[in-house]
Amino acid sequence: QSALTQPASVSGSPGQSITISCTGTSTDVGYYDYVSWYQQHPGKAPKLMIYDVSHRPSGVPDRFSGSKSGNTASLTISGLQAEDEADYYCSSYTSTTTLWVFGGGTKLTVL
Amino acid sequence: QVQLQESGPGLVKPSQTLSLTCTVSGGSISSGSSFWTWIRQPAGKGLEWIGRIYSSGSTNYNPSLKSRLTISEDTSNNQFSLKLSSVTAADTAVYYCARGGGSGNYWFDPWGQGTLVTVSS
Repeated sequence: QSALTQPASVSGSPGQSITISCTGTSTDVGYYDYVSWYQQHPGKAPKLMIYDVSHRPSGVPDRFSGSKSGNTASLTISGLQAEDEADYYCSSYTSTTTLWVFGGGTKLTVL
Repeated sequence: QVQLQESGPGLVKPSQTLSLTCTVSGGSISSGSSFWTWIRQPAGKGLEWIGRIYSSGSTNYNPSLKSRLTISEDTSNNQFSLKLSSVTAADTAVYYCARGGGSGNYWFDPWGQGTLVTVSS
């Protein structure tokens, strides 16, 4: 059981927008602005898409955005494209001795 | 840019020690306040943080693995390593090394390509 809760799957049509939620607690997502999001295509390593809740690394399209409210962080992808189909994981720093926790992952299907 | 590459045996027998090395290129593991992290992913499952080492050589481990885990660095070869003892089938996973996971760098980027380790007799 993962420390952060994500929906198992989401789907959308090309051009649409989707949002993936990531729910934690007051010791991780709710406490720190150190939430990051990763995209993972089958057989590949995860790729950083969002860091510090809402910052995009260089090279990541501005269709990807992040936000946070209370204990829940969100990743929004607008203008869905076929290549966005992948698994997405959230991660947060935590005040517990585990230090880092991940969500269970969300499979995005582009219809 | 910084690149990471994992290496080590793909098959380990139960009760033995799993040993992996991450070779860093394009940057020094001892520069600044860098953090270097190990993360694993069982087949079809999510990611699990294993532990990290700072550029100072200090370490932090996942409490669930701490009693079996050692992470170390070899600055002369620009590498850091993972040793996990007394392995069982539950340790079968793709193991990734990544930069980050600490002060000023609270994310993981880049990642190595990952290496599959199977625990089986």
